Amino acid sequence: KQEVTQIPAALSVPEGENLVLNCSFTDSAIYNLQWFRQDPGKGLTSLLLIQSSQREQTSGRLNASLDKSSGRSTLYIAASQPGDSATYLCAVEGYSTLTFGKGTMLLVSP
Amino acid sequence: GAGVSQSPRYKVAKRGQDVALRCDPISGHVSLFWYQQALGQGPEFLTYFQNEAQLDKSGLPSDRFFAERPEGSVSTLKIQRTQQEDSAVYLCASSRDSRNEKLFFGSGTQLSVL
Repeated sequence: KQEVTQIPAALSVPEGENLVLNCSFTDSAIYNLQWFRQDPGKGLTSLLLIQSSQREQTSGRLNASLDKSSGRSTLYIAASQPGDSATYLCAVEGYSTLTFGKGTMLLVSP
Repeated sequence: GAGVSQSPRYKVAKRGQDVALRCDPISGHVSLFWYQQALGQGPEFLTYFQNEAQLDKSGLPSDRFFAERPEGSVSTLKIQRTQQEDSAVYLCASSRDSRNEKLFFGSGTQLSVL
């Protein structure tokens, strides 16, 4: 059974810092890996999708990498802003489902 | 529609009551998923539809849970004889196709069973 682990569970940084969120998964037989953002009381918003044949994806200040063989992904957030405060979830797509980690709760203080 | 719509937004049920949760996916999206999210946890897969066909229901926790998508658009998740452990946020998501497509999530239905 696929297991997804995210480290750290929570992170607090001052505005302007660059930061890295980590995700690891146990079964490398995946179709893709996705990073989501979840604001309190809201659904999930897809940030980046990396297909299994790709190494990284970028969107604005976000960059996600994928090392499928080692079962790892990182989400890099450059020049963090208070509006980035949210929970960030990593998920891997297997046969028909996404398996999620528990998320990293990020707080960016002004 | 503009996004995935779920209703009701909040539902309070007495233990033993039946509930029905509705999901209206983005128009034209083939795939539809239901997830259950407990407080402080990531979403857990419940079931998956491709059009009207339920291709995977392995995540449904018991036979009290039933989902349908009869015309390949709107879906309903029904929970019979609700228990306190059913309290969670139920999220619906849809995508254009079944592989390597971004998922679009609704805001969820928060179910509280008293």
